[in-house]
Amino acid sequence: DAGVTQSPTHLIKTRGQQVTLRCSPKSGHDTVSWYQQALGQGPQFIFQYYEEEERQRGNFPDRFSGHQFPNYSSELNVNALLLGDSALYLCVRRTVTYEQYFGPGTRLTVT
Amino acid sequence: ILNVEQSPQSLHVQEGDSTNFTCSFPSSNFYALHWYRWETAKSPEALFVMTLNGDEKKKGRISATLNTKEGYSYLYIKGSQPEDSATYLCAFPHDAGNKLTFGGGTRVLVKP
Repeated sequence: DAGVTQSPTHLIKTRGQQVTLRCSPKSGHDTVSWYQQALGQGPQFIFQYYEEEERQRGNFPDRFSGHQFPNYSSELNVNALLLGDSALYLCVRRTVTYEQYFGPGTRLTVT
Repeated sequence: ILNVEQSPQSLHVQEGDSTNFTCSFPSSNFYALHWYRWETAKSPEALFVMTLNGDEKKKGRISATLNTKEGYSYLYIKGSQPEDSATYLCAFPHDAGNKLTFGGGTRVLVKP
């Protein structure tokens, strides 16, 4: 049990719309990172949150934003969706002992 | 931008055969190398975290070696079984356990 849940499992949106994806790590005080995995590629780092602050960010435009709540859950928001945003979005929790656990992912399809 | 590459991209293996594939990564500023196994419709599962040059780790029929000086790691599957079919990902942390750069993965299909 990776101890990370994500919702929803699947989502279909239209180009130009906005989407919010959610991640809940089982235990607290963990770093939460978001990755985008496009078909045929390895996951790409979007950003990382710890203690409700964005700590690191990958090469993603400002349309991608996030939030971490006091209960350590996290949201990924994407504005003005493009067809190229269609991907699997993975949430990863990193423990204080540097183990990394993946959630099951949210499959986003933009039409 | 870190370059983490895996080869081959895909592999078809006959049940019972052994196989191996490679992950190459920058040899400077090495912290660790992670291997994950990702079965369809499941979360990636951590296999190994390798930290020392010359390290060799084993989990059942799967093992991995690490050469930090030349920047590569091999993953071996001995006596492949259909349940070994998955995508195997390696990931290189930029610092002590934070942001990971992933390779593109090696998709292994074991045929009965």
